[in-house]
Amino acid sequence: QVQLVESGGGLVKPGGSLRLSCAASGFTFSDYYMSWIRQAPGKGLEWVSYISSSGSTIYYADSVKGRFTISRDNAKNSLYLQMNSLRAEDTAVYYCASRPYYGNHFDYWGQGTLVTVSS
Amino acid sequence: QSALTQPASVSGSPGQSITISCTGTSSDVGGYNYVSWYQQHPGKAPKLMIYEVSNRPSGVSNRFSGSKSGNTASLTISGLQAEDEADYYCSSYTSSSTPRGWVFGGGTKLTVL
Repeated sequence: QVQLVESGGGLVKPGGSLRLSCAASGFTFSDYYMSWIRQAPGKGLEWVSYISSSGSTIYYADSVKGRFTISRDNAKNSLYLQMNSLRAEDTAVYYCASRPYYGNHFDYWGQGTLVTVSS
Repeated sequence: QSALTQPASVSGSPGQSITISCTGTSSDVGGYNYVSWYQQHPGKAPKLMIYEVSNRPSGVSNRFSGSKSGNTASLTISGLQAEDEADYYCSSYTSSSTPRGWVFGGGTKLTVL
C-alpha cells in the first residue's frame, strides 16, 4: 500500500537549518508530483512547496520563498525539504503529500514530522 | 496566498445532515474545479474526502458530497455518525499571478452532538 514516511524533524534554534526527508513506497514515485504541507500547533494547514515528477517545476509559498528548498531523488523514492534561516513561525508538523498527475489535490499524506524552532 | 474562509465550527446530531462552506475568490475556488476537502482526526494526518469539487476517492462513504457555486464550495455530510467528528479543511489550486500553488481554508471543527 502507499506509504509516505517523513523524518528529520526536531528542535532547532532561530536562524538554524534542518533537512526533512520523505520516503515513499507502494507506488511509482517518479510518476507523482509531491508537496510539503505544514500545520502549526493548534492551527490549520498551510501549503509550503511543490515539485513536479521530474523536478523541473517548483513552487513555494511566499512565507518560505528564499529560505526553503524542495528537491527529490526518484532513484531513492525520496522527497526532501531543506529549511534554512528558520523562524519561530516555522514551528509546525510538516507533512509530505502526493498529488496525482490528473488532479490538483493531495491523495496520500505521511504521518508528519514536528519541527520546533526555539531558543 | 490568502486562506479560504470556512466557519470555525458546525455541529449536528447523529443522522442529521450538515454543510460546511468554503469561500474563496475567482483566482482559486471560483476559477477552477480543483476544490478538495480533507478530514483530520486529532493527532492524525489529513485524509482526502472529496476532490475536483465533487468526486469521492475509492473507500470514502457516499454520505460525503461536494458542490460549488461561484466562489463558494460546500461539503455536505449526510446521516451524521459519531466517527465523522473531526476537523475539515477545504483546499483549492490557485493561479493568482504570483505565486502559483495551493491554498487551504482555516478549518471547521465538526461536533456530533
